[in-house]
Amino acid sequence: AQSVTQLGSHVSVSEGALVLLRCNYSSSVPPYLFWYVQYPNQGLQLLLKYTTGATLVKGINGFEAEFKKSETSFHLTKPSAHMSDAAEYFCAVSDRGTDKLIFGTGTRLQVFP
Amino acid sequence: DTAVSQTPKYLVTQMGNDKSIKCEQNLGHDTMYWYKQDSKKFLKIMFSYNNKELIINETVPNRFSPKSPDKAHLNLHINSLELGDSAVYFCASASTAEAFFGQGTRLTVV
Repeated sequence: AQSVTQLGSHVSVSEGALVLLRCNYSSSVPPYLFWYVQYPNQGLQLLLKYTTGATLVKGINGFEAEFKKSETSFHLTKPSAHMSDAAEYFCAVSDRGTDKLIFGTGTRLQVFP
Repeated sequence: DTAVSQTPKYLVTQMGNDKSIKCEQNLGHDTMYWYKQDSKKFLKIMFSYNNKELIINETVPNRFSPKSPDKAHLNLHINSLELGDSAVYFCASASTAEAFFGQGTRLTVV
């Protein structure tokens, strides 16, 4: 069965520092890949997704992620963290041709001044 | 207009009661879901409907019964509520390769 692993349940960075949130998937066939953000007491908002084409995907709020088939990874990065980036981030996968989204366990990002 | 709306946002109820959560989407999508988010923020799919038909039913107790009167609505009815049902329940609708989530319903069973 498809699964996704997020390394690190908590990540802390200083404002202005690089943000790196890790995500690995299990499928041998590249799935669709997503990053969602959840602010406190809110629903999930799509940051970016990879379905096909260019492996470096740019999303909202300055985030980007790179699909690396050889590493079965889809890590999320942002060059310079902002206080407003503090939230829970979820990586998710779905098999091509299905709508079933499988979520990772989430990574809480803290940003310190 | 909110794309995916859930009501109520908060629900506090006693053990043994029956309650419903409503979900509506105005995006014209054929697929809708219910997800459960536990206290550790883990998100687990419960049900998926496509055009009013049940597609996915993960190992959810049969006290949980989804109902889709039309493709814009997917309601969740829960019978005989238990303490362990306390969680945040999210409704979502999906087009190809993208899901849109509601704001969630925080259910607390006391």
